Amino acid sequence: AQKITQTQPGMFVQEKEAVTLDCTYDTSDPSYGLFWYKQPSSGEMIFLIYQGSYDQQNATEGRYSLNFQKARKSANLVISASQLGDSAMYFCAMRDPRGFKTIFGAGTRLFVKA
Amino acid sequence: NAGVTQTPKFQVLKTGQSMTLQCAQDMNHEYMSWYRQDPGMGLRLIHYSVGAGITDQGEVPNGYNVSRSTTEDFPLRLLSAAPSQTSVYFCASSNYDRGTEAFFGQGTRLTVV
Repeated sequence: AQKITQTQPGMFVQEKEAVTLDCTYDTSDPSYGLFWYKQPSSGEMIFLIYQGSYDQQNATEGRYSLNFQKARKSANLVISASQLGDSAMYFCAMRDPRGFKTIFGAGTRLFVKA
Repeated sequence: NAGVTQTPKFQVLKTGQSMTLQCAQDMNHEYMSWYRQDPGMGLRLIHYSVGAGITDQGEVPNGYNVSRSTTEDFPLRLLSAAPSQTSVYFCASSNYDRGTEAFFGQGTRLTVV
C-alpha cells in the first residue's frame, strides 16, 4: 500500500531564511507522481510543485524546489527566502501510476517569524 | 472560471440526519474525489470516481455514499450523520495524467451535534 509520512508537525523559520519540509513515501510502483500543496489559514488547497518518479532533475517553481531522492524515497520541499505569507500548512501527496488516487501526508504547519 | 464548486460551505446537522454535499467541476476532468480533513491526520480519501458511472472506495468510506451520473457532478451523501463525521470535506478533480495536480473546492465545514 502507498503511504506518505511527514514527521514534522510544526516548523519555525525566520523570515528570509530557507526551510526544508520533510516528506518520505512508500510505494511498490515504479511510476508515481509527488506533489506539494499549501493550505493557508483561509482553508483552500494551493498546488505548489510536482515531481514525477522518472524525472531526472529536481522540480523547481519560483522559491519552491523539491529535493527528490528516489533511492531514499524522500521528496522534501525547500522554500527559499521565506516570507510571512508562507505561514501555512503544507501537505505532501502522491498519486498512483494509474492516476486514480492521490494520498496525502498528515501535513507540516510552518510558522514564519518576522 | 469556476473550477471546482462545493456547496454548502458550512453545515450543522443533528445526529441521525441525512444530507448531501454537492460538488461540481467545469474542467471536464475524468477523476473526482472526496476527502475529509481532520486535525493531525491530513486529508483522507473517502470515495473517488474515474468517470461517469464508476466509483470506488478510498481509505475511510464507511458512512458515506457517492454516485457519478455525469462527468461534472460528484455528490457525497451522509445517510445518518454521526458526531465522528464532524470534519472539513474537500472535493477535488483532476484528469488522468498522473503528472497533473488536483483542483480542490473551497471545502465544507460540517458539524454533527
